[in-house]
Amino acid sequence: EERLVESGEGSVQPGGSLRLSCAASGFTFNNYMMHWVRQAPGKGLEHLSAINGNGDSTYYADSVKGRFIISRDNSKNTLYLQMGTLRVEDMAVYYCARSAGSIGTRYGYLDSWGQGMLVIVSS
Amino acid sequence: EIVLTQSPGTLSLSPGERTTLSCRASQSVSSNYLAWYQQKPGQAPRLLIYGASNRATGIPDRFSGSGSRTDFTLTISRLEPEDFAVYFCQQYGSSPRTFGQGTKVEIK
Repeated sequence: EERLVESGEGSVQPGGSLRLSCAASGFTFNNYMMHWVRQAPGKGLEHLSAINGNGDSTYYADSVKGRFIISRDNSKNTLYLQMGTLRVEDMAVYYCARSAGSIGTRYGYLDSWGQGMLVIVSS
Repeated sequence: EIVLTQSPGTLSLSPGERTTLSCRASQSVSSNYLAWYQQKPGQAPRLLIYGASNRATGIPDRFSGSGSRTDFTLTISRLEPEDFAVYFCQQYGSSPRTFGQGTKVEIK
């Protein structure tokens, strides 16, 4: 059974940095695109970033472009999100998720999600 | 960017009832690449429907999706106690992937 387990949640001050990790198991990690999605308290879902299977193509939402970096280590079956210059509005639960295909393809939906982890940005 | 508008915001229903949730797109969703997710409090979203009408693995057949281009619906034929949750639609036909704001199905 596929499993995604996030780690790295924490509390940081505005302007600070944090790295999130997502450990994958139960599937062939490098066959899947991986994603980060966040949900601010009481709000909806926002797709933040994506990376293809071999890590050479990435996507960022405008809200995090230039501040966040997505990466993956296929030898460790792990996805990362390096978050910098954090703002109060970045406070949210962050989920990692996978898709078998990229945007605009029949398998572009998110079929497995991690449990989520809370990132608090506050002074 | 495709904006997805879900309606209604909240549904108050009883177990055993049938319900239909709406997701309307600001422009046509390419190839009907629209998904529905269920989210319960404190849990991650769970994929229910992809490609507008295909049930994901393990999803009961009381859940069905339909629609095309700009108008999509999720129908729950007979609400079970575990179905009371928030439901999100998402389009993955064009960048950026966008989600609707959600419909909460609550117990009446």
